[in-house]
Amino acid sequence: AQSVTQLDSQVPVFEEAPVELRCNYSSSVSVYLFWYVQYPNQGLQLLLKYLSGSTLVKGINGFEAEFNKSQTSFHLRKPSVHISDTAEYFCAVSSVSGYSTLTFGKGTMLLVSP
Amino acid sequence: DAEITQSPRHKITETGRQVTLACHQTWNHNNMFWYRQDLGHGLRLIHYSYGVQDTNKGEVSDGYSVSRSNTEDLPLTLESAASSQTSVYFCASSEFQANPDTQYFGPGTRLTVL
Repeated sequence: AQSVTQLDSQVPVFEEAPVELRCNYSSSVSVYLFWYVQYPNQGLQLLLKYLSGSTLVKGINGFEAEFNKSQTSFHLRKPSVHISDTAEYFCAVSSVSGYSTLTFGKGTMLLVSP
Repeated sequence: DAEITQSPRHKITETGRQVTLACHQTWNHNNMFWYRQDLGHGLRLIHYSYGVQDTNKGEVSDGYSVSRSNTEDLPLTLESAASSQTSVYFCASSEFQANPDTQYFGPGTRLTVL
């Protein structure tokens, strides 16, 4: 079984500042990692995913994440945020073994102010 | 364009009533999922299906049931609604049985049980 911990429930930041949303996972097997974003009153959409290969993954809207196996982390970063990035961000994990489902973290609310 | 829809978008019901939430996808995906989203819990998996006539229990399946009679639809039934089932419900679909597929989410149904 896997679990995901998102260390911050809320992250306030000013527009054009950099941001990092933290995600740690626990698993006894190899995993795939995902970040999803949920804009107000909408469903979730995929931001980026790590499957294999390069540990730095680039996603939509200028976001990127780095997989660190030794620290079991998959932190999400953006060098300069916009007001429109205000949303809830979910980290998720699934096992590589197949026929596996996604396990989500509890989410981090990113609040961007002018 | 392919999409995934949920109906109704909002529902108020009374304790003890049977409620069915609809989920319809036109992606022609084999896999379909139901989640509930609650403050402080993130998304938790209720039931999922890997194809017609296939259903599986998720993390929080008690009090819920699903059936899959065709590829496009996975209705979620609350047999006897309870106040603890007040939540936002999301349906999702994906293409591959084995990882690392991407899940596509519907817009959600907000259910209130009085």
